[in-house]
Amino acid sequence: DAKTTQPTSMDCAEGRAANLPCNHSTISGNEYVYWYRQIHSQGPQYIIHGLKNNETNEMASLIITEDRKSSTLILPHATLRDTAVYYCIVSPGSGGYNKLIFGAGTRLAVHP
Amino acid sequence: DGGITQSPKYLFRKEGQNVTLSCEQNLNHDAMYWYRQDPGQGLRLIYYSQIVNDFQKGDIAEGYSVSREKKESFPLTVTSAQKNPTAFYLCASSIKDPNSPLHFGNGTRLTVT
Repeated sequence: DAKTTQPTSMDCAEGRAANLPCNHSTISGNEYVYWYRQIHSQGPQYIIHGLKNNETNEMASLIITEDRKSSTLILPHATLRDTAVYYCIVSPGSGGYNKLIFGAGTRLAVHP
Repeated sequence: DGGITQSPKYLFRKEGQNVTLSCEQNLNHDAMYWYRQDPGQGLRLIYYSQIVNDFQKGDIAEGYSVSREKKESFPLTVTSAQKNPTAFYLCASSIKDPNSPLHFGNGTRLTVT
């Protein structure tokens, strides 16, 4: 499975866009990019995922570069409740399950 | 509301005792997973199951056991053979699609002294 590299921590002002980068230079053609977040002492929450096209949902946007070696998660208007650890994961899935490997993620702090 | 329920939220045990963590889902998902998280770390996969009465070892299965007798239930037993059992344990489920997202419970924090 491809590995990902994320900054250890980031800050963002409330109301501004938070742009969280992720490098996955060894990603292969069938691997999806997933983003999850984890608020302290809770289970991870699914945010978004994509293969090659940019994706948007009610929570965030996912921008994947054309060569697929990096991606950016965008939270368009960050709030204090977006303070969490954000995980970028690439995984091909296999058979009937999706075996995701979580790294240490990016700790995002949203401040007033 | 559909979801995954893990109980209890906090669990304390003495060293040398086996302990079973509960995970129940009403999402009608086929696949279920157990992860372990240590402070400041990512999640590591312990066991996963695609279907009733079938399960596979993940990356750190030693010292753990599971069963999958019902679709909605996937209990994890932390045995006395697990050398460092104190951790945050997370259960997840997904539909039977290799590219479907995982839905997580809110975890059980196990402390063994």
